[in-house]
Amino acid sequence: QKEVEQDPGPLSVPEGAIVSLNCTYSNSAFQYFMWYRQYSRKGPELLMYTYSSGNKEDGRFTAQVDKSSKYISLFIRDSQPSDSATYLCAAQRGTGGGNKLTFGTGTQLKVEL
Amino acid sequence: GAVVSQHPSWVICKSGTSVKIECRSLDFQATTMFWYRQFPKQSLMLMATSNEGSKATYEQGVEKDKFLINHASLTLSTLTVTSAHPEDSSFYICSARDGSRPTFDTQYFGPGTRLTVL
Repeated sequence: QKEVEQDPGPLSVPEGAIVSLNCTYSNSAFQYFMWYRQYSRKGPELLMYTYSSGNKEDGRFTAQVDKSSKYISLFIRDSQPSDSATYLCAAQRGTGGGNKLTFGTGTQLKVEL
Repeated sequence: GAVVSQHPSWVICKSGTSVKIECRSLDFQATTMFWYRQFPKQSLMLMATSNEGSKATYEQGVEKDKFLINHASLTLSTLTVTSAHPEDSSFYICSARDGSRPTFDTQYFGPGTRLTVL
């Protein structure tokens, strides 16, 4: 079993839709949870990170973590064609130079006009 | 701020040759750098972690003699793929951690290097 599981998609939505992207994880030691956006042939770009359980909002993006169910979500409101990319969730046990990111496989999102 | 560059962005080489990829943190000091490999439509697989001035720590299954990593300064790490073969063809991405951030030492990723071995 992978430590971070993510549906690869692809997910296709019309412009303006609310997008829900989800991951589950199995390692209870994970404390930090991140969402990265990766455009084709580019490196990942950090969108948001959350510590422990809770919600975090940044513009059209909302990240949620429920540690009791080991569930990570990213919501995108008013989705735009420019949001079309692969979204990677990631988890980390703690801070410090040696702590490693564990990535999900990524969900490919396409927002259509 | 927090920009990481990689050079080259793409490279094609013949089987048996060695290829060096550079990763630089442009506006911060990277106490730790990471090297990842990504196959098409797959996630990032961590290859190794390197700290400035010390030997890299390789993940299980990664050949340290094939993938040589040098982290000579706080802004530069290099990955050398030695005696490259077609199965080494992949997208290689580095990331750098800004150790000066007090609350969360996030990783900043480079744009990636696409390696094709003929």
